[in-house]
Amino acid sequence: DIQMTQSPSSLSASVGDRVTITCRASQGISNYLAWYQQKPGKVPKLLIYAASTLQSGVPSRFSGSGSGTDFTLTISSLQPEDVATYYCQKYNSAPPFFGGGTKVEIK
Amino acid sequence: EVQLVESGGVVVQPGGSLRLSCAASGFTFDDYTMHWVRQAPGKGLEWVSLISWDGGSTYYADSVKGRFTISRDNSKNSLYLQMNSLRTEDTALYYCAKDRSSGSYPDYWGQGTLVTVSS
Repeated sequence: DIQMTQSPSSLSASVGDRVTITCRASQGISNYLAWYQQKPGKVPKLLIYAASTLQSGVPSRFSGSGSGTDFTLTISSLQPEDVATYYCQKYNSAPPFFGGGTKVEIK
Repeated sequence: EVQLVESGGVVVQPGGSLRLSCAASGFTFDDYTMHWVRQAPGKGLEWVSLISWDGGSTYYADSVKGRFTISRDNSKNSLYLQMNSLRTEDTALYYCAKDRSSGSYPDYWGQGTLVTVSS
């Protein structure tokens, strides 16, 4: 099975900072990658699919890139409402594993 | 509006059994693959199982294979998860989630139902 590894596991940044989260697949998955945001106590929300396509309604400060084994989620200007844990998920084939998550906090 | 409402979560003893249900509305249920995803307290998301639109294909995480069974009743717009031989490590919030199409990624999630396995 293909495993998904996210880094860092947590980060602290200031409002307005550019934040980058990395997700690495143990084998190539083309662009079959989704990103989710889970705010504390809330249900996960789909942010990005096909590695770089923004889900409808998601602010444009979020972007995704990558293909093959290495992917990134970028928040161009961190806002207080972006405090959450972010997960990647591969879906090229079952099982559609999640990464371990990256917790984003405000400094 | 897509709605997914899970039920069936309770406190159960190790070795016990439980069936979770998910009532779906707001979309054509039998057009979509469905997932169960769980989250242990303070931990990350763990994908558990998926079932194709017609129930013909099912997949399981290794951690639940042979103990859990996913099923669906398209006439009732309902998804199920039969959980047997429960272990303390199965304690989690269990989410029902709708797939974007046919075996891709979840795009809508329910609020979850809490399963606690404890003696």
